[in-house]
Amino acid sequence: AQSVTQLDSQVPVFEEAPVELRCNYSSSVSVYLFWYVQYPNQGLQLLLKYLSGSTLVKGINGFEAEFNKSQTSFHLRKPSVHISDTAEYFCAVSDRGGGSNYKLTFGKGTLLTVNP
Amino acid sequence: KAGVTQTPRYLIKTRGQQVTLSCSPISGHRSVSWYQQTPGQGLQFLFEYFSETQRNKGNFPGRFSGRQFSNSRSEMNVSTLELGDSALYLCASSLASSASGGGTQYFGPGTRLLVL
Repeated sequence: AQSVTQLDSQVPVFEEAPVELRCNYSSSVSVYLFWYVQYPNQGLQLLLKYLSGSTLVKGINGFEAEFNKSQTSFHLRKPSVHISDTAEYFCAVSDRGGGSNYKLTFGKGTLLTVNP
Repeated sequence: KAGVTQTPRYLIKTRGQQVTLSCSPISGHRSVSWYQQTPGQGLQFLFEYFSETQRNKGNFPGRFSGRQFSNSRSEMNVSTLELGDSALYLCASSLASSASGGGTQYFGPGTRLLVL
């Protein structure tokens, strides 16, 4: 079974500071990895995804993430955050093989709060 | 292209009642997945439908059921509501069935259900 651990439940930062949201996963098979963002009272919006190829993935709103297979990590980074980045961020993993046991497994989320 | 839409956005029910939630996927998407989001349990997979057939199911009791129509629209039904069913119910659509793995899921805004 897969699992996702988001190491920080809350991350407060000041505007224009860099930020890293950490995500580690556990799986016995190869995986696809995703980061989603959820603004208050809204659904989830896809930020970026790793399916294959380059381990450095660039997403929307200036975010990027790096897949590290040896450390089973997929940390999300942004060099300079804005107030508007305040939201909850979810890391998710799915089994590459698909099949009847496929599902998207989410971490518990990290609340990013950007202060002026 | 219009995104995933969910109706209604908010719902209040009492224990013992039943409820039906609706989800219209992105045009051309044939897979619809449902998730329950609560503060305590986070995001949990309910089930997935593809081509009107349930392809995957999470660990929820039989009170939770769904169906998909020929136009890919999906409904989720919860019978004999319990207080613990209060949650945000999210629907996600993707082009591919989970059986093929890796289909990126796009989420709707959710239906917030409150059970009194």
